[in-house]
Amino acid sequence: NAGVTQTPKFQVLKTGQSMTLQCAQDMNHEYMSWYRQDPGMGLRLIHYSVGAGITDQGEVPNGYNVSRSTTEDFPLRLLSAAPSQTSVYFCASSWDRGAKNIQYFGAGTRLSVL
Amino acid sequence: GNSVTQMEGPVTLSEEAFLTINCTYTATGYPSLFWYVQYPGEGLQLLLKATKADDKGSNKGFEATYRKETTSFHLEKGSVQVSDSAVYFCALSGTNAGKSTFGDGTTLTVKP
Repeated sequence: NAGVTQTPKFQVLKTGQSMTLQCAQDMNHEYMSWYRQDPGMGLRLIHYSVGAGITDQGEVPNGYNVSRSTTEDFPLRLLSAAPSQTSVYFCASSWDRGAKNIQYFGAGTRLSVL
Repeated sequence: GNSVTQMEGPVTLSEEAFLTINCTYTATGYPSLFWYVQYPGEGLQLLLKATKADDKGSNKGFEATYRKETTSFHLEKGSVQVSDSAVYFCALSGTNAGKSTFGDGTTLTVKP
């Protein structure tokens, strides 16, 4: 059972570079989310999606774009990387039928912006 | 908006000690409450949940009770093991399954 798969696991960027963090889930979940985890700050929601073609902003959306063309995939794009975006990024999926909003997480992408 | 406040860490205990990690929340309506655990180098995974007032979630010897009157969901375990060393997150979710609010996390280290 693959669950939620994130790639890459590690990435180093220079300031101003762009990149896409990939996220795929094989559980047919409607909801997908991106969080960033910074020391002492828990997880903060960047963007989320309630289904294919529908996305919305979370708590810290600036500098990030998302799209959801299929149920399975939810990539996160950094348009012009900044040192403040150095963090660990987690993708999660969930559904609200009987599972009461349990989120299933990927293993994370550790990003450093120099 | 929603918020979760967790007991600050880190917490260091000896094996077989009693564990309590405090969690209080602010939310509108009737959220579901969760404890997630994160082992080194891994993503978060669900430890236990409770979906309505007075529900008790339990798993692997851990327990937490949904207390609406005190807006709390404290995590407890009677006898911790070295393998319980991890970061523990309290979280809540309302009507939108894609949006959870997390506490800052509490790092637990259990020494033999």
